[in-house]
Amino acid sequence: DADVTQTPRNRITKTGKRIMLECSQTKGHDRMYWYRQDPGLGLRLIYYSFDVKDINKGEISDGYSVSRQAQAKFSLSLESAIPNQTALYFCATSDPALVDPTVPNYGYTFGSGTRLTVV
Amino acid sequence: QKEVEQNSGPLSVPEGAIASLNCTYSDRGSQSFFWYRQYSGKSPELIMFIYSNGDKEDGRFTAQLNKASQYVSLLIRDSQPSDSATYLCAVNRNNNDMRFGAGTRLTVKP
Repeated sequence: DADVTQTPRNRITKTGKRIMLECSQTKGHDRMYWYRQDPGLGLRLIYYSFDVKDINKGEISDGYSVSRQAQAKFSLSLESAIPNQTALYFCATSDPALVDPTVPNYGYTFGSGTRLTVV
Repeated sequence: QKEVEQNSGPLSVPEGAIASLNCTYSDRGSQSFFWYRQYSGKSPELIMFIYSNGDKEDGRFTAQLNKASQYVSLLIRDSQPSDSATYLCAVNRNNNDMRFGAGTRLTVKP
């Protein structure tokens, strides 16, 4: 099984519908993130969470909300989907270096992505 | 000005050559720097990270960091067709979030 699992893999939805994208991880990481990727714009941060009680907005949080149901689960919701939210969405996890605390390695592990199309 | 800038490419090199990928960033307080490889339709995969000025080598990959110039690069020696992908530069600004460049598409021709 993948370390970071996203569901669904692909989704087509209509304008105005509410949709939830789910992410679960088995890495035991505290930090989880949601990004969207658009051609030419790269990955942009939507929301991030450092633990179950900590939720923070990223660069582009308008129109999105999140829920951290457990350490392993972080869901992204589009309250009323619009066509310009059509994108590839990635969940990611990270944890500070466990072997050497002086090494600031905060590399991410990404899920396989959800391709969302809003029509 | 974008926080993390990369030449979008495409960058084309022949098999066996050195591929050089460049990245600049705007926040001088940035602490750590990453290179991810992303194959078409797949998720990004971490290949290198660097946090001190100078070079860091891992197999055929070398990351270079110059904080004074706010510049990060990735060299791929003995490029292979399997290296053809989009390479994303990412910068960790203050432990709170990571900012990504738009990526450079690399093609290695046999």
